[in-house]
Amino acid sequence: EDKVVQSPLSLVVHEGDTVTLNCSYEVTNFRSLLWYKQEKKAPTFLFMLTSSGIEKKSGRLSSILDKKELFSILNITATQTGDSAVYLCAATNNAGNMLTFGGGTRLMVKP
Amino acid sequence: GAGVSQSPSNKVTEKGKDVELRCDPISGHTALYWYRQSLGQGLEFLIYFQGNSAPDKSGLPSDRFSAERTGGSVSTLTIQRTQQEDSAVYLCASSLFWNVGTDTQYFGPGTRLTVL
Repeated sequence: EDKVVQSPLSLVVHEGDTVTLNCSYEVTNFRSLLWYKQEKKAPTFLFMLTSSGIEKKSGRLSSILDKKELFSILNITATQTGDSAVYLCAATNNAGNMLTFGGGTRLMVKP
Repeated sequence: GAGVSQSPSNKVTEKGKDVELRCDPISGHTALYWYRQSLGQGLEFLIYFQGNSAPDKSGLPSDRFSAERTGGSVSTLTIQRTQQEDSAVYLCASSLFWNVGTDTQYFGPGTRLTVL
């Protein structure tokens, strides 16, 4: 059974801190891993990772995929209170007909 | 049916026209999701339905987009006054429940929309 596991479940940091969120996956015929930020209800797309070892970067956020060890990390540097959200990781298969989500990491950034 | 089905598979329309995209979820699945995937991009969450509850529309890109789900099953995504930037593959998915983290979403084949 396909599985995506995120850690930690929750995290409380102060503004300016750097955080690393983890996502491990076991997906048959894995194709891509996606990261989303969920503040209210509808998640917002952050990154899609398909190739191993290539970092994707957007401002203070970056992510990388390790297809050998089956995990991905999402880094946020110089955190701000606006980064407070649930961060979701999801994995798709080659057929593109399944998307399995992890349980999310709830990040709270205190002023 | 055994999986999620969508129709049409391809739709070419002229700018300014309205389009309707249909999704038939897996029988018994209570949650239904619409996504959009533009070229080279990840899945953009548009709207989801959980059972008979009012849908969460917060992901819809503009008020030209609307969706409904009749009888807790079939869903229609409507785009009014289409624009060229609406061109994308529209994907529908369903899951047994709305419970991110424990439920797998199963996708339909998508509708490729091209707005000329």
